[in-house]
Amino acid sequence: EAGVTQFPSHSVIEKGQTVTLRCDPISGHDNLYWYRRVMGKEIKFLLHFVKESKQDESGMPNNRFLAERTGGTYSTLKVQPAELEDSGVYFCASSQDFYSGNTEAFFGQGTRLTVV
Amino acid sequence: GESVGLHLPTLSVQEGDNSIINCAYSNSASDYFIWYKQESGKGPQFIIDIRSNMDKRQGQRVTVLLNKTVKHLSLQIAATQPGDSAVYFCAENIVVDSSYKLIFGSGTRLLVRP
Repeated sequence: EAGVTQFPSHSVIEKGQTVTLRCDPISGHDNLYWYRRVMGKEIKFLLHFVKESKQDESGMPNNRFLAERTGGTYSTLKVQPAELEDSGVYFCASSQDFYSGNTEAFFGQGTRLTVV
Repeated sequence: GESVGLHLPTLSVQEGDNSIINCAYSNSASDYFIWYKQESGKGPQFIIDIRSNMDKRQGQRVTVLLNKTVKHLSLQIAATQPGDSAVYFCAENIVVDSSYKLIFGSGTRLLVRP
């Protein structure tokens, strides 16, 4: 079974440019999460999708960040325009449906974003 | 606010010794905690979890202890091996309106000396 996959693994962009990160969750997982780790600090929650709906986006830092999950499959996280403080590692995770009681989240390998 | 933090940023141990990684959490209402291991270039990997109705849970070479009185969590690794070298995160799973999310600590780097 394929795990959570993220693309690209590494992205270097200039300040002011746009970057789009992609996450393919484990097939059949309704829940999809985005997290990020900035400047070696703790991993912080960004948002949570249940299927195609945004269940919780309280962790999104500002309106330069836009996440989508059209069709409830893969998700994209776009940063536009990117700022220096956006540099970090962006993780995606997925888990099964809420009512199954199995809430273990499986993480992708992350996308390392460097804004110069 | 809610936060989960770690006491030590780096822990160096001799191969074969036992390792103990500590974590403090602040949300007394939390009822589910997880330890993750992150190796270089990889995402966090589930190690072991524990619910608040338990004080201790054992896995293969790992034990998690939960002290709800002082809101403290620890991960014990027996007979530490070079492959255990990684960053370890504790996380608190909170539920708000059917939405689960993980609150992570800042991480502890475990270095295993040969």
